Amino acid sequence: QKEVEQNSGPLSVPEGAIASLNCTYSDRGSQSFFWYRQYSGKSPELIMSIYSNGDKEDGRFTAQLNKASQYVSLLIRDSQPSDSATYLCAVNYARPGAQKLVFGQGTRLTINP
Amino acid sequence: DVKVTQSSRYLVKRTGEKVFLECVQDMDHENMFWYRQDPGLGLRLIYFSYDVKMKEKGDIPEGYSVSREKKERFSLILESASTNQTSMYLCASSLWEGGSANEKLFFGSGTQLSVL
Repeated sequence: QKEVEQNSGPLSVPEGAIASLNCTYSDRGSQSFFWYRQYSGKSPELIMSIYSNGDKEDGRFTAQLNKASQYVSLLIRDSQPSDSATYLCAVNYARPGAQKLVFGQGTRLTINP
Repeated sequence: DVKVTQSSRYLVKRTGEKVFLECVQDMDHENMFWYRQDPGLGLRLIYFSYDVKMKEKGDIPEGYSVSREKKERFSLILESASTNQTSMYLCASSLWEGGSANEKLFFGSGTQLSVL
């Protein structure tokens, strides 16, 4: 059984602080990892993808991958109220490009003004 | 922009009814997916398709079937709806890439199905 685990939260962070979201996965052979953001009542949208160990930065977002520890994280710097959403970690357990994703249960993030 | 359209936003059906959920995408994507989303369980893959007339089971296919007669359309079928199939159903599509550089799912707005 291929699993992706997230702390469901809710995670509450003050505006301007760093929000840290974590995810672990069960299959060492996985090669591609994703963070989707889902606003209440809306569909998920991709915000970050990462394929290699280390950090990947895109604006205020940084994804971190540690394949040895089977751990993926998402950091959001200078958190804004508009970042309040559920963040879904997803892992592709199939061949690259196949996009057969397994999602975690999501972490609900609230940014307090 | 890619558009993935699901035919109904809300649907109410009776136990035992046959239910069709329709999904259409307008970007000539090869890959199409059906997920269900339940509180505390995240998104779970029901079925997916990499090409016309092709389908593969996801993680929870029991009680469901799919049809892909045209590239742009992927239908989810509940042969005999049951109350445990009450859920939010999300369709998604993506472009086939041989490598992994552009893996991105585009989701429809979802269909909230209630089976009474």
